[in-house]
Amino acid sequence: QQQVKQSPQSLIVQKGGISIINCAYENTAFDYFPWYQQFPGKGPALLIAIRPDVSEKKEGRFTISFNKSAKQFSLHIMDSQPGDSATYFCAEGGSQGNLIFGKGTKLSVKP
Amino acid sequence: GAVVSQHPSWVICKSGTSVKIECRSLDFQATTMFWYRQFPKQSLMLMATSNEGSKATYEQGVEKDKFLINHASLTLSTLTVTSAHPEDSSFYICSARDVGLGNQPQHFGDGTRLSIL
Repeated sequence: QQQVKQSPQSLIVQKGGISIINCAYENTAFDYFPWYQQFPGKGPALLIAIRPDVSEKKEGRFTISFNKSAKQFSLHIMDSQPGDSATYFCAEGGSQGNLIFGKGTKLSVKP
Repeated sequence: GAVVSQHPSWVICKSGTSVKIECRSLDFQATTMFWYRQFPKQSLMLMATSNEGSKATYEQGVEKDKFLINHASLTLSTLTVTSAHPEDSSFYICSARDVGLGNQPQHFGDGTRLSIL
């Protein structure tokens, strides 16, 4: 099953810092790029999503940057907080409604 | 809104038994539900796509006779792990799409941790 390439695998950030997670995709047929946040023992929760017709989307402290020509998109978490410590997954979605997930990034925000 | 409830959240059973996991969309209708499997510290792997009133579509390598999926209504899909063995132990997560909102997004349940002894 094709996967989205996600990096880094793990990330440690100081409280108040910026967390940046990157993803690269291959299939240009996909038109929906979400980020999910998952806490241990819980299902993923949709954080923010973008479609290829825009280059950036911001919701509160979370921003997606989308580079269509490079086939890359990234998640920026501004003013990172200890409560943001979780595993983050990028994904790509197609017309059938299916999602293909990246391998995840474990974020630890140190107080 | 867009709440997906999964039950049970944790089940432990003996090898050889069958286990049923329920996935319900509580406040929306879902013609399509998805079943994923997640191993510790790994990503979600799609097992099958469940469409209301029709047979599920299984991903390559997933045994359809072992993982029985039923999607009898717009708010309920079930996954039955038949004759479960220790290698079936995993975290199973379902998701659902709201009929009225097109193909995306998917809303996820809180998963079921299955432990086979």
